[in-house]
Amino acid sequence: AQKVTQAQTEISVVEKEDVTLDCVYETRDTTYYLFWYKQPPSGELVFLIRRNSFDEQNEISGRYSWNFQKSTSSFNFTITASQVVDSAVYFCALSEGGGTSYGKLTFGQGTILTVHP
Amino acid sequence: EAQVTQNPRYLITVTGKKLTVTCSQNMNHEYMSWYRQDPGLGLRQIYYSMNVEVTDKGDVPEGYKVSRKEKRNFPLILESPSPNQTSLYFCASSLRGGLIYNEQFFGPGTRLTVL
Repeated sequence: AQKVTQAQTEISVVEKEDVTLDCVYETRDTTYYLFWYKQPPSGELVFLIRRNSFDEQNEISGRYSWNFQKSTSSFNFTITASQVVDSAVYFCALSEGGGTSYGKLTFGQGTILTVHP
Repeated sequence: EAQVTQNPRYLITVTGKKLTVTCSQNMNHEYMSWYRQDPGLGLRQIYYSMNVEVTDKGDVPEGYKVSRKEKRNFPLILESPSPNQTSLYFCASSLRGGLIYNEQFFGPGTRLTVL
C-alpha cells in the first residue's frame, strides 16, 4: 500500500529565510509519480510540480526547488528567501501507475507553513 | 475555460438531512473522484469513477454514495449526514484512470458543516 509522510506539522519562519518541507513516501511500485500541491488560505489546491520515478533530477523553479532521492524515498521541497505569500498548507502526494490504484492520489498530512514579515 | 466546478461551496446542515454536493467537469474526462480533507490527515479518497456507470470505493466510503450517469457529472450524496462528515470536500477529474501519468484537476472545494 502506498503511503506519504510529512513529519513537519507546522513550520514558522521569518521572511527571507530558506525553508525545507520534508516528504517521505512508501510504495511497492517501481513506476509512480510524486506531486506537491499548495493550499493557500483561500482553500483551493494549486499544483506545483510532478515528478516521475524515473527522473531523479532536481528541479528549480524560481524560488522553489525540489530534491528527489529514491535511495531514501524522499521528495523534499525547498523555498528560498521565503515570502509572506508563501504562507499556506503544502501537500506532498503519490500516484502509483495502474494496477488497482486507478489514478488515486495518496496525500501526506500536510505541512502548515507560516512566513512572518 | 477548462474547469471542475462544485456546488455549493459552503453548506451548513443538520444531522440526518440528506444532501448532495454536485461536481461537474467540462474536459470530457473519464476519471472522476471525491476526496475529503481533514486536519492532520491530508486528503483521502472517498469514491472514484473510471467512466459512466462505473464507480468504486476509495479509502473512506462509509456514509457516502455517488453516481455517474453522465460523463461530466459526479455528485456526492450524503443520505444521513453526521457531524463526523464535517470536512472540506474536493472533486477531481483526469483524462482517464489507470495510467501512469495522472494530472488531476481539482474543483474549488466544498466546506461542509454538519451540526
